[in-house]
Amino acid sequence: EAGVAQSPRYKIIEKRQSVAFWCNPISGHATLYWYQQILGQGPKLLIQFQNNGVVDDSQLPKDRFSAERLKGVDSTLKIQPAKLEDSAVYLCASSINSGPQETQYFGPGTRLLVL
Amino acid sequence: AQSVTQLGSHVSVSEGALVLLRCNYSSSVPPYLFWYVQYPNQGLQLLLKYTSAATLVKGINGFEAEFKKSETSFHLTKPSAHMSDAAEYFCAVIYGNKLVFGAGTILRVKS
Repeated sequence: EAGVAQSPRYKIIEKRQSVAFWCNPISGHATLYWYQQILGQGPKLLIQFQNNGVVDDSQLPKDRFSAERLKGVDSTLKIQPAKLEDSAVYLCASSINSGPQETQYFGPGTRLLVL
Repeated sequence: AQSVTQLGSHVSVSEGALVLLRCNYSSSVPPYLFWYVQYPNQGLQLLLKYTSAATLVKGINGFEAEFKKSETSFHLTKPSAHMSDAAEYFCAVIYGNKLVFGAGTILRVKS
């Protein structure tokens, strides 16, 4: 079974530029998550999708971050404009469904450096 | 506020020694608890999870964890460390349908 795919793996941009990350979850997984992992911290949930609907985006900085999952499969996360503090690893995860006991499967992440 | 505390950002053990990584959570209800491992430049991989069944949970790679409600703890152990266990370990708890992670513990294994 193929795992969660993410691209690009690394990205370096200057502040105020825009950037987009792509995620393809495990086939058949209805729930998709985006996490931000700042160096020295655990991952923090940014947004959760159930199929193509948003379940939780309470921790997403909506003035600069946006995400979509138009067909209920792959997803993109965008930052516009980027700030220095956005430097982090962005992890995508998926699960079969959204119950609390469901195991989340993580992709390798996209490492973003904002200069 | 609901939180997950991992005591010790870095733990160093000798190969063959006991591994003990500590995790405490703040919750008044029996939670769902997880341990994940992250190898360099890789995503997180589930080691084990507690879902209100047996209090001693066995996971992959010889790891296990014990849920102790009275201590609000879910410490991760392995009887004998191997060089390949060197990685960062994260404890996580479900709060309100959201997975909340601790800050992580980097495990170093000395030969």
